[in-house]
Amino acid sequence: EPEVTQTPSHQVTQMGQEVILRCVPISNHLYFYWYRQILGQKVEFLVSFYNNEISEKSEIFDDQFSVERPDGSNFTLKIRSTKLEDSAMYFCASSDRDGYYQPQHFGDGTRLSIL
Amino acid sequence: DQQVKQNSPSLSVQEGRISILNCDYTNSMFDYFLWYKKYPAEGPTFLISISSIKDKNEDGRFTVFLNKSAKHLSLHIVPSQPGDSAVYFCAASITGNQFYFGTGTSLTVIP
Repeated sequence: EPEVTQTPSHQVTQMGQEVILRCVPISNHLYFYWYRQILGQKVEFLVSFYNNEISEKSEIFDDQFSVERPDGSNFTLKIRSTKLEDSAMYFCASSDRDGYYQPQHFGDGTRLSIL
Repeated sequence: DQQVKQNSPSLSVQEGRISILNCDYTNSMFDYFLWYKKYPAEGPTFLISISSIKDKNEDGRFTVFLNKSAKHLSLHIVPSQPGDSAVYFCAASITGNQFYFGTGTSLTVIP
């Protein structure tokens, strides 16, 4: 069964450094998403991306965050200047066809630890 | 943000019996709902969905019920199996794109 893959599984970064989290969505999917889950808290929506544009974003997704689809297979989340509170599990997801009102399929996540 | 709530953090059920997981929401604009299962160190796995035009959707052992007037949905698993032991999340959306998740219910199925 096709999967969403995320790398690395664990990223440790010094506060203030830039970090890029990588995702390979399911190959025929057109909508891509990032979510995060701070330890002990809910899974929270960050951003959705379609046709090389952000289609929706939450209040969490401020100017220090950006997303990119640099080629036909990868989808990345960049955090420009990391803060301690960015420590969380980051999940990438994708959905096919219209994207809207379709199940989103998740990767296994990247655990980001900010020191 | 308390728009989606799962008030039971944990549930234990005997193998073969029914598991009922509950989810409440506050935003009447939500019109599409998903249930996910999550094992440790893995991402959420999609189980079943329901749109607000329906009150029930069934897929094998899994059935989701939606009560719009009560702003409540539930997931029934019959019969429960030990492999069903996981954390279950409900998620709701207005746009069908951005989802709001509950805090999860940890289900343990006892052999």
